Amino acid sequence: LAKTTQPISMDSYEGQEVNITCSHNNIATNDYITWYQQFPSQGPRFIIQGYKTKVTNEVASLFIPADRKSSTLSLPRVSLSDTAVYYCLVGDVRYSSASKIIFGSGTRLSIRP
Amino acid sequence: NAGVTQTPKFRVLKTGQSMTLLCAQDMNHEYMYWYRQDPGMGLRLIHYSVGEGTTAKGEVPDGYNVSRLKKQNFLLGLESAAPSQTSVYFCASSPADSNQPQHFGDGTRLSIL
Repeated sequence: LAKTTQPISMDSYEGQEVNITCSHNNIATNDYITWYQQFPSQGPRFIIQGYKTKVTNEVASLFIPADRKSSTLSLPRVSLSDTAVYYCLVGDVRYSSASKIIFGSGTRLSIRP
Repeated sequence: NAGVTQTPKFRVLKTGQSMTLLCAQDMNHEYMYWYRQDPGMGLRLIHYSVGEGTTAKGEVPDGYNVSRLKKQNFLLGLESAAPSQTSVYFCASSPADSNQPQHFGDGTRLSIL
């Protein structure tokens, strides 16, 4: 079971870069790392996914070290609208049961003016 | 472009009543999932389906049943509702031929009195 560990909460200010780290010590060879964002009263929304090294899209970057036992979601120049809960998931439904891809409690990010 | 649609959005039940939550997706995804989210918690997988006519148990399946008679629909049933099942229920879908992320509906808020 690819369990993940994230900080329960983080605070930052508008315009700052925010980095949220997720630990996944027993990640399997085939597992991908996926991050979701959830606003109150909404379903989670996909942010970014990666397997190794660095992935960047229009909203975030994902850094994955060579041993893949952790990953860091980086949000550049956050705004108040980035206040949300962020979940790190590890797994790949093509190779393991969907029941082994666990959401966990996530990281509650609060952005202040 | 509806994506994942959940019906109803809100419902109040009395203990012992039964009901069915409907999830419909128009993306031709093979995989579908039902989660529950309790206040301040992450999402927990109830049941999932890897294709039409197949279902499997997730992390917290007790008290729930599911059916996947059509590829686009995934039904979640509560035969005899209990107050402990008061929660927000999310449905999601994903393709099976690649590790693409899950697409979520907006949730059904269910209260059991």
